[in-house]
Amino acid sequence: KAGVTQTPRYLIKTRGQQVTLSCSPISGHRSVSWYQQTPGQGLQFLFEYFSETQRNKGNFPGRFSGRQFSNSRSEMNVSTLELGDSALYLCASSLGTGPSNEQFFGPGTRLTVL
Amino acid sequence: AQSVTQPDIHITVSEGASLELRCNYSYGATPYLFWYVQSPGQGLQLLLKYFSGDTLVQGIKGFEAEFKRSQSSFNLRKPSVHWSDAAEYFCAVAPTGYSTLTFGKGTMLLVSP
Repeated sequence: KAGVTQTPRYLIKTRGQQVTLSCSPISGHRSVSWYQQTPGQGLQFLFEYFSETQRNKGNFPGRFSGRQFSNSRSEMNVSTLELGDSALYLCASSLGTGPSNEQFFGPGTRLTVL
Repeated sequence: AQSVTQPDIHITVSEGASLELRCNYSYGATPYLFWYVQSPGQGLQLLLKYFSGDTLVQGIKGFEAEFKRSQSSFNLRKPSVHWSDAAEYFCAVAPTGYSTLTFGKGTMLLVSP
């Protein structure tokens, strides 16, 4: 069974640009969550999607947005990139929503903003 | 709001020695608690979880954790550490009804020969 895949794995952008990251969940999983990992702030929750609906959102500015498609694949978008957006962005998928559903993490997308 | 504290940023343990990583949480209700491990360049892997019932939970790779409500703690233990256990370990808590994980800052485990 294939795991969670994230594309691209590495990305370099300049300030002011926008970026789209993609996450393909494990087959059959309907819930996708996104996290940002930085050395200073650690792992922080961005969004949770279930059946194309955003169920929960973390404390991030409106420049961060996401969506989920009918096949459960998810994308997140960051507009007007700032240096502080440099981070590892992790996607996790689970069968359903709620903490009893184990979340499986992808390898992440490493975003560098210059 | 929930929070997680991992007091130790780095820990060095000799191979074969026992390990205990500390985790304290703050949450108003009965928490859902997790330990994850992250190796360099990799995503997070779930080691074990606690939802209810027996307060001593067994996980993968020989790890166990004990939930102590009176101390708001969920410490991770392993009786004998292997060099391959060197990684960063994260404790996390989730609220009822949501998949949202609140993570601690992590503890980097170094294993010396």
